[in-house]
Amino acid sequence: EIVMTQSPATLSVSPGERATLSCRASQSVSSNLAWYQQKPGQAPRLLIYGASTRATGIPARFSGSGSGTEFTLTISSLQSEDFAVYYCQQYNNWPPRTFGQGTKVEIK
Amino acid sequence: QVQLQESGPGLVKPSETLSLTCAVSGYSISSGYYWGWIRQPPGKGLEWIGSIYHSGSTYYNPSLKSRVTISVDTSKNQFSLKLSSVTAADTAVYYCARDTAMVTFDYWGQGTLVTVSS
Repeated sequence: EIVMTQSPATLSVSPGERATLSCRASQSVSSNLAWYQQKPGQAPRLLIYGASTRATGIPARFSGSGSGTEFTLTISSLQSEDFAVYYCQQYNNWPPRTFGQGTKVEIK
Repeated sequence: QVQLQESGPGLVKPSETLSLTCAVSGYSISSGYYWGWIRQPPGKGLEWIGSIYHSGSTYYNPSLKSRVTISVDTSKNQFSLKLSSVTAADTAVYYCARDTAMVTFDYWGQGTLVTVSS
């Protein structure tokens, strides 16, 4: 099973600042990596797939990069609606599909 | 617009079987893709349970494989989850989602909380 490790667990950022979230895979997942945003009481929302492709309707301030075992989600200028928990997920070697433990982005 | 909606009992007794259904609208399951179940214990992260291909082939999380059955009913455009011998550790919000090979989980249901308690 591929283990996904996200860092940091919590990121405190001021509105308008840049946020950088990391995700590491225990073995290569090529570019088969997705990022999701989850707000309290809501289902996860797909942000990025293929490591760097924004899903339909996702603002350009969200960008993904990386391949192999190291990945990054960058939010260029945090808006109030971006404070949430973010998960990475690999879909290269499955079953099982595996998620990271999440990074909470909170208001500084 | 693809929409998914979970339904089923919100309370299940220990040792019994959890049963949920996901109704899909805006897309015909028989047209393709995988269809998956994911769960999230209260305050915790996401765990993939399993997925079913439109043809009926199933793929399960090895950690749950012995207790999970996912099936599809293309005539009703829905798919279902059964999880047997549940314990309190199975208490979670259960989500259904469309699961594509290249994009993974792109459409999700709103989720349904299932509590395991006597």
